[in-house]
Amino acid sequence: DVKVTQSSRYLVKRTGEKVFLECVQDMDHENMFWYRQDPGLGLRLIYFSYDVKMKEKGDIPEGYSVSREKKERFSLILESASTNQTSMYLCASSLILQGEAFFGQGTRLTVV
Amino acid sequence: AQSVTQLDSQVPVFEEAPVELRCNYSSSVSVYLFWYVQYPNQGLQLLLKYLSGSTLVESINGFEAEFNKSQTSFHLRKPSVHISDTAEYFCAVRVSGTYKYIFGTGTRLKVLA
Repeated sequence: DVKVTQSSRYLVKRTGEKVFLECVQDMDHENMFWYRQDPGLGLRLIYFSYDVKMKEKGDIPEGYSVSREKKERFSLILESASTNQTSMYLCASSLILQGEAFFGQGTRLTVV
Repeated sequence: AQSVTQLDSQVPVFEEAPVELRCNYSSSVSVYLFWYVQYPNQGLQLLLKYLSGSTLVESINGFEAEFNKSQTSFHLRKPSVHISDTAEYFCAVRVSGTYKYIFGTGTRLKVLA
């Protein structure tokens, strides 16, 4: 079974802190994604990556950056956390051009 | 731009009753379609998918969905729900040849005893 692991289930950070959310997948998938989930808004794509060191902006990239130095790992970075970035963050991976996305358990981030 | 519409944000239904969760998408090209389920404070789990072939797809726990190309719909149905089906359900589409998955806003199914 594909496993997508997010490093933290719950995080509490202060406004202005630099925050790293880590995601690792174990099935050699080319694609990796970061979504944020907010009530009533569903899942919105922040960034995705289709190969090592390759990334593309999603629908809401402002205030975020990403890093993919190895195929199995995709990191989301909040350069200076703000309270409006309090949300559930979901990482996913998939094969390059077919099939479903596999999701991690999510990280619930609270910025105070 | 591609979009997915789940018109019902909440659906209450009594146990053992049938349910239909609606999903429509906007695309005139070939697509892959998915339903995911999310239990509280967890990630999304794939419930079923349509990639090609038979337009009726089924899950192991009794859900089914039918791909209707002319109506650009992929509604999810179950003939008899259980309390344990209480969760949020997301419909998603991926346009053939692209990387991205586009999700609807979700439908919260609440099964009542």
